[in-house]
Formats: sequence, structure tokens, C-alpha cells
Amino acid sequence: DAGVTQSPTHLIKTRGQQVTLRCSPKSGHDTVSWYQQALGQGPQFIFQYYEEEERQRGNFPDRFSGHQFPNYSSELNVNALLLGDSALYLCASSALAGINEQFFGPGTRLTVL
Amino acid sequence: GEDVEQSLFLSVREGDSSVINCTYTDSSSTYLYWYKQEPGAGLQLLTYIFSNMDMKQDQRLTVLLNKKDKHLSLRIADTQTGDSAIYFCAETLLGTASKLTFGTGTRLQVTL
Repeated sequence: DAGVTQSPTHLIKTRGQQVTLRCSPKSGHDTVSWYQQALGQGPQFIFQYYEEEERQRGNFPDRFSGHQFPNYSSELNVNALLLGDSALYLCASSALAGINEQFFGPGTRLTVL
Repeated sequence: GEDVEQSLFLSVREGDSSVINCTYTDSSSTYLYWYKQEPGAGLQLLTYIFSNMDMKQDQRLTVLLNKKDKHLSLRIADTQTGDSAIYFCAETLLGTASKLTFGTGTRLQVTL
């Protein structure tokens, strides 16, 4: 059983560009959350998707947007990249019935130059 | 407000017990979690405890929760070099479903 997968593993962009990160949840999971982890910090909640809709959102600007597809996979889009967007972006999935257990993917390392 | 604090660093000898501590401020915590992160990797869920429990044991791991003091600890018995990693405590709050609020992480170094 594949766990949570994310792509790409690494990405380098320049300021002002746009980026799309992808996540496939663990089999049987229907809820996907995205987190941003800056170097030396704990992960910060960006938003969560369930039934193709954003259920909750953290304190991130509108430049951060997402989508969930019918197969429960998800994308995170970041527009107008800033240097401060450089971080490890983590995707976590859970089954709504067991929302206390969230499983994380390996993350996408985004570097903005 | 949401605030989860951890000490930054802990060094223990192989075979000893490790105790990693965490404090939180919001009394509406529903679940409290411990995650492990190895270099360059994602987060691995180690264990979690419901907020109305005092203790949970899972093999070498023991979680203690003092709700009055808003203090959570993770004890790792017989610490091994493979336990070297960053450990994050996290909480979910009433009404926010599965949104996790993480601490800053404690780096555990296991020496021979």
C-alpha cells in the first residue's frame, strides 16, 4: 500500500514565478492538508481539502491556492513567488472518519531565487 | 491563542531514556501528537493521545499528559542511534477538525 506521495521532490523557481505541487493521498484517505515548513521551524498549516472543497485555511495569503480532484489527489499552487516562500511543502492525508491520524508525504523542497 | 513550545535540543546516551517535553497554551486541545522527522524526510506519526487521557504507552514510547499544566511529554525507553531525529509535538483544537498546530521541534541526538 503506497503511502502519501508528492511530486516533484525538489523545485527551483525565481521570484514572481508560479509553482504547482502535487500530492496523492494514502489509499482509503479522502482528506488532504498542506503544510509549509520553513528551515528550522515546525510545519505551518496552509489549508485542507475534503470533497473537492477547501474546508479550513491557515494564515496564508491568497497567493496560495489549491485544488482537490475526484480521485482525492490534490495540488497546491503558489503565485507571485517570494524569497520567503522557500520551504519544504508537506502534504498530509487522513480518512475523515479517523481524522486524528494524519500521514505525511516526504515533501517538496521549493527554493525561490 | 495557539502556541506550542518545545526545547530545542536534547542529547542522551544510547541505552538511556529520553524525555522530550512540550507545553501548549490552548485548553481546547482535543488530541496531542508526537511526530518524528529524520533529515530530508517527511513527518512520521509516532503516537497520539486524546486530551482526556493521562498516559499512553506504545512499546518503547510513553506519552504523559498533564492537562492542568498543559504539559505533554514523550519518553523513549532504551534510546537507540536510530532515534536521532527532530521530534515535534502538535495539537488539534476543538472545532478545527484535523488542523495540526506544531511546536518548533526538539532535536534528539543519541551518542554512543
